[in-house]
Amino acid sequence: SAVISQKPSRDICQRGTSLTIQCQVDSQVTMMFWYRQQPGQSLTLIATANQGSEATYESGFVIDKFPISRPNLTFSTLTVSNMSPEDSSIYLCSANRDTNTEAFFGQGTRLTVV
Amino acid sequence: AQRVTQPEKLLSVFKGAPVELKCNYSYSGSPELFWYVQYSRQRLQLLLRHISRESIKGFTADLNKGETSFHLKKPFAQEEDSAMYYCALGTRGGNKLVFGAGTILRVKS
Repeated sequence: SAVISQKPSRDICQRGTSLTIQCQVDSQVTMMFWYRQQPGQSLTLIATANQGSEATYESGFVIDKFPISRPNLTFSTLTVSNMSPEDSSIYLCSANRDTNTEAFFGQGTRLTVV
Repeated sequence: AQRVTQPEKLLSVFKGAPVELKCNYSYSGSPELFWYVQYSRQRLQLLLRHISRESIKGFTADLNKGETSFHLKKPFAQEEDSAMYYCALGTRGGNKLVFGAGTILRVKS
């Protein structure tokens, strides 16, 4: 298994500011992903965090709004930029050891933008 | 387009009753289907995946390609089964997941 830690676990931020969420895995993993769960809705994939190269974004998500870093095989960050109340969500990090293996999830970061 | 549909937001059953959580999917490729569960105050975790064809905590799910379904079943519900259940479709080797809306299962004593 893989244990994933996310920081912060929650935050309340002013609109127009940015927040960086950290995701740390206790062992090397091949794949890391970032999901968003808006209030009352399901999880939606934001992007695949690629080690050593630019993240791969899903339709509706752009790098300027959600810059992602993945400097090594155990760590990734997601920044939510220029926040508005519509960005209030739970943001989740997930990781797979390899292709076709189980996805492990962090506990999530609950973001409220006021 | 890939899509996962869970028609029930809430399913409430009595302890000992059978449970079926419905899941239908839409995907043009070869699907990989999963059930994830989130217990109160815990993180999302894998319950089972179709390629394993195993029973976990008494739950089973069979992939029906003709009906594009992957319903989750348990013959006798227990109170500790109360949780949020998500059906998910894996694409790109099963790692990139498309989630359904989720179904809250409440097992009453």
